[in-house]
Amino acid sequence: DVKVTQSSRYLVKRTGEKVFLECVQDMDHENMFWYRQDPGLGLRLIYFSYDVKMKEKGDIPEGYSVSREKKERFSLILESASTNQTSMYLCASRYLTGSTDTQYFGPGTRLTVL
Amino acid sequence: GQSLEQPSEVTAVEGAIVQINCTYQTSGFYGLSWYQQHDGGAPTFLSYNGLDGLEETGRFSSFLSRSDSYGYLLLQELQMKDSASYFCAVKRGGFKTIFGAGTRLFVKA
Repeated sequence: DVKVTQSSRYLVKRTGEKVFLECVQDMDHENMFWYRQDPGLGLRLIYFSYDVKMKEKGDIPEGYSVSREKKERFSLILESASTNQTSMYLCASRYLTGSTDTQYFGPGTRLTVL
Repeated sequence: GQSLEQPSEVTAVEGAIVQINCTYQTSGFYGLSWYQQHDGGAPTFLSYNGLDGLEETGRFSSFLSRSDSYGYLLLQELQMKDSASYFCAVKRGGFKTIFGAGTRLFVKA
């Protein structure tokens, strides 16, 4: 069974702290994604990775960075957390063929920055 | 700009049929996906349309018209457990996917 796990379900941090969110998938997928989800805005892409050590900015990369040292693991880093980064963060890995484009999501991390 | 438009809320009665529409305007289009998300849960994949036409998976069907930049998700024989948010998502060029803001479906008894 497909599995994407995230390191924390809930996280509370203070403004200015460095925050690490980790995501692990067990499906050997090449593509992995980080989204944030806010009410009324849907899912917005922060960064994605199409292979180990390969990454590209999504639609809202400011204030974030990522790391993909191993195929199964994709980390999101908030260099200096700010209150406007309070959100639900969702990681996904992707199964892509000619006939489907399926993303498998982790359970999410609800981050509160005080 | 790039945008996906879907209704914010839909209400329907148990046992009925409901259609959730999605219109899109994106640079590059390769396919339309639908995801379901229950409160407190993660989005789960429902369907993908890469070509025009209807795709059926049990009680759920999804339709795409590329010429109209339009698709819809059709839910039949509605059940209370179908109460959730539904997102359409467009696969663009490269590896990017853009999601709509979501449609909240309320199923009433």
